[in-house]
Amino acid sequence: EVQLVESGGGLVQPGGSLRLSCAASGFTFTSFAMSWVRQAPGKGLEWVSSISSNGIGTYYADSLKGRFTISRDNSKKTLYLQMNSLGAEDTAVYYCAKAFLGGFDVWGQGTVVTVSS
Amino acid sequence: DIQLTQSPSFLSASVGDRVTITCRASQGISGYLAWYQQKPGKAPNLLIYAASTLQGGVPSRFSGSGSGTEFTLTISSLQPDDFATYYCQQTHTYPRTFGQGTKVEIK
Repeated sequence: EVQLVESGGGLVQPGGSLRLSCAASGFTFTSFAMSWVRQAPGKGLEWVSSISSNGIGTYYADSLKGRFTISRDNSKKTLYLQMNSLGAEDTAVYYCAKAFLGGFDVWGQGTVVTVSS
Repeated sequence: DIQLTQSPSFLSASVGDRVTITCRASQGISGYLAWYQQKPGKAPNLLIYAASTLQGGVPSRFSGSGSGTEFTLTISSLQPDDFATYYCQQTHTYPRTFGQGTKVEIK
């Protein structure tokens, strides 16, 4: 079964850091670009970041201002998102997603990040 | 950055209705557009990619069309399972922007 499972979310204080993980299974992880998408409470989808299949190409939303870093470990079939200097605006459900011919065809269940004191 | 504007933002319709959602891009994106369906508390589900190609397993009542800056998602006969929020996404350039969403509710 093709599956993505996120972990690492939780409650963090403003200014803090968090690292999200996304474990992949059921497909050839090394063949596909991967992405993170977030959704603030009651809001729409926001693309956060993408990484190429070999990890060399990385792309970010302008709004992140260099605070987030995407990476992947192909030997572990795992995608990561390092998030620093977190603020209330980063409170959201974070989804990882597999790229497919221009769309995202497989999504994880999401992990909740809450930034609050 | 490429902006995507969906219309309408909210739609009230009945089972059996034909529904059309429009997505307009701020600049030409050829056919690089995807459509997703999202239900409350769930991850989005890819419906259509490359503007008009139906993702495997998606019912044929869903169709997509368009190129350049104007795109449409059509549901030919709305079913109870189709009440959800729909998003377009451009896959032409980074950042990979989404439209603001269209919520389809029961009339």
